[in-house]
Amino acid sequence: SYVLTQPPSVSVAPGKTARITCGGNNIGSKSVHWYQQKPGQAPVLVIYYDSDRPSGIPERFSGSNSGNTATLTISRVEAGDEADYYCQVWDSSSDHQVVFGGGTKLTVL
Amino acid sequence: EVQLVESGGVVVQPGGSLRLSCAASGFTFDDYAMHWVRQAPGKGLEWVSLISWDGGSTYYADSVKGRFTISRDNSKNSLYLQMNSLRAEDTALYYCAKGGEDYYYMDVWGKGTTVTVSS
Repeated sequence: SYVLTQPPSVSVAPGKTARITCGGNNIGSKSVHWYQQKPGQAPVLVIYYDSDRPSGIPERFSGSNSGNTATLTISRVEAGDEADYYCQVWDSSSDHQVVFGGGTKLTVL
Repeated sequence: EVQLVESGGVVVQPGGSLRLSCAASGFTFDDYAMHWVRQAPGKGLEWVSLISWDGGSTYYADSVKGRFTISRDNSKNSLYLQMNSLRAEDTALYYCAKGGEDYYYMDVWGKGTTVTVSS
């Protein structure tokens, strides 16, 4: 089955740029979606189809996907961005399943 | 406003059964696929199952295939998850989530209902 690999943690100072990666075999050929989950809350979609933002998500959130790595970029990081972030794809191989990455804890220093 | 409200989570013994429900409102329910996603305590998200808008197609994670059944009643704007042969590793917060414009992502999530499998 398809595997997505995320770093367990990323730390960034306020006002700087955070980049959270999601690795997978030829992930650039798939559509990648990203979710933010704050403690005690349900996940929220922040990026879909690699780089599209749902309404209400700040422009500071952006995404890219190429080769074997997809990246969620958060510019001008704020304290309120501290959360777990998960990437997700649809595995259309014989499994036909949704796959999540293991999640990355973003810490704002 | 789109709302998803899960219910039915309880403490159940290993080997037992349980049915979760999800009541949807604020959107045309039968236009969208629906998902169940779970999260074990302190762990990441794990996708459980997906059902198409009309119930004609269903998909399952390997970890629940043959034990769980997803279904929907579009006349009641409701999604269900029948869980049989429950195991300790099924203990989790179970989220109902609305599919996006296609099947393959979730654009709105409920707050979840907790299932605990323990003797």
